[in-house]
Amino acid sequence: EDQVTQSPEALRLQEGESSSLNCSYTVSGLRGLFWYRQDPGKGPEFLFTLYSAGEEKEKERLKATLTKKESFLHITAPKPEDSATYLCAVTTGGFKTIFGAGTRLFVKA
Amino acid sequence: GAGVSQSPSNKVTEKGKDVELRCDPISGHTALYWYRQSLGQGLEFLIYFQGNSAPDKSGLPSDRFSAERTGGSVSTLTIQRTQQEDSAVYLCASSLEGSLAYGYTFGSGTRLTVV
Repeated sequence: EDQVTQSPEALRLQEGESSSLNCSYTVSGLRGLFWYRQDPGKGPEFLFTLYSAGEEKEKERLKATLTKKESFLHITAPKPEDSATYLCAVTTGGFKTIFGAGTRLFVKA
Repeated sequence: GAGVSQSPSNKVTEKGKDVELRCDPISGHTALYWYRQSLGQGLEFLIYFQGNSAPDKSGLPSDRFSAERTGGSVSTLTIQRTQQEDSAVYLCASSLEGSLAYGYTFGSGTRLTVV
């Protein structure tokens, strides 16, 4: 069965304290792995698509990497405005996208 | 429109009543998705529409749930005889068919509360 697991469930950081969020997946036929950001009361906002192992993408303080079994979202020198829930998702051959439960990130000034 | 629009933003209904949730996707996006998000849970896939193809209904949790998409644009998710376990945020998303590069664009959701 296709599955996406994110860890930790919650992460509390001080401003400037770099860390990583993990997304492990078990799917047959990965077409793409996505990272989204979700703020309270809003829908998820697209961040990155990764297609194959070894690929990396960056946006401001965020960097996403992909291996054959997991993806990491690295946050460098986070700011309070980076506080949100970060969702990982994978799309298989049927265009159905499976989401993980997310990691709630809190960044304190 | 500029983004995906969902209405209503909040809906409180009595157990046993029917509800309709509406989604206006981004103009030109041929793919439309419905997801459900319960408190503290990930997004649960419900249904997927792509152009004129038959929808993928494999995620609908029971026959009380149905959805349609008219004219390849607006979609309505209907829940009949609502139950308390239907309480959740219902999210709609749209995308260009076959394109993964930009992911999905989500609406802000409809928060459904069944009392």
